[in-house]
Amino acid sequence: ILNVEQSPQSLHVQEGDSTNFTCSFPSSNFYALHWYRWETAKSPEALFVMTLNGDEKKKGRISATLNTKEGYSYLYIKGSQPEDSATYLCAFMTGSSNTGKLIFGQGTTLQVKP
Amino acid sequence: GAGVSQTPSNKVTEKGKYVELRCDPISGHTALYWYRQSLGQGPEFLIYFQGTGAADDSGLPNDRFFAVRPEGSVSTLKIQRTERGDSAVYLCASSLNVVGELFFGEGSRLTVL
Repeated sequence: ILNVEQSPQSLHVQEGDSTNFTCSFPSSNFYALHWYRWETAKSPEALFVMTLNGDEKKKGRISATLNTKEGYSYLYIKGSQPEDSATYLCAFMTGSSNTGKLIFGQGTTLQVKP
Repeated sequence: GAGVSQTPSNKVTEKGKYVELRCDPISGHTALYWYRQSLGQGPEFLIYFQGTGAADDSGLPNDRFFAVRPEGSVSTLKIQRTERGDSAVYLCASSLNVVGELFFGEGSRLTVL
């Protein structure tokens, strides 16, 4: 059974704080790792799709790194703003079947207080 | 040019009834996914279509659940003899290809009384 774990489950920070969360996934048969942001009452929205060990991606104040050999990815938010409040989901795709099946973690819910 | 559209947005039904949930993906997206999200959990994989065929249906919980995509575009998730445990948000997503980012609909919230 493929398991994707995210930590912490929830996080409360003050506006301006920088923060990071972790996504752990099986280190064998890696194919791709996705990050999504899901704001309340909206659809999940893609942040990054990462496929190579050592990948680092950045979008504004949000960045992500990938270590496929040890099976983890970090998501960083620099200078958190209230509009960053959302649930952040990572999802793993294995290369063993390559059917396109994405397995999601349970998410990290971020609350940024003004 | 719209995004992924799901209908109905909310469905309340009684235990034992039949339910259909519809997903209209982004035009040209060959890959289509169904996920189910229960409170406090991440999206749980149900089924993945590549074109008209189900490439992976290993997430369907039992034979009460069935999904079709007859023309490689719109998909319908069908749930027979609904149970209270089927209550969840059912999410549909589409993508251009196997490794591409998913574009999600807003979900169909199913409540089984």
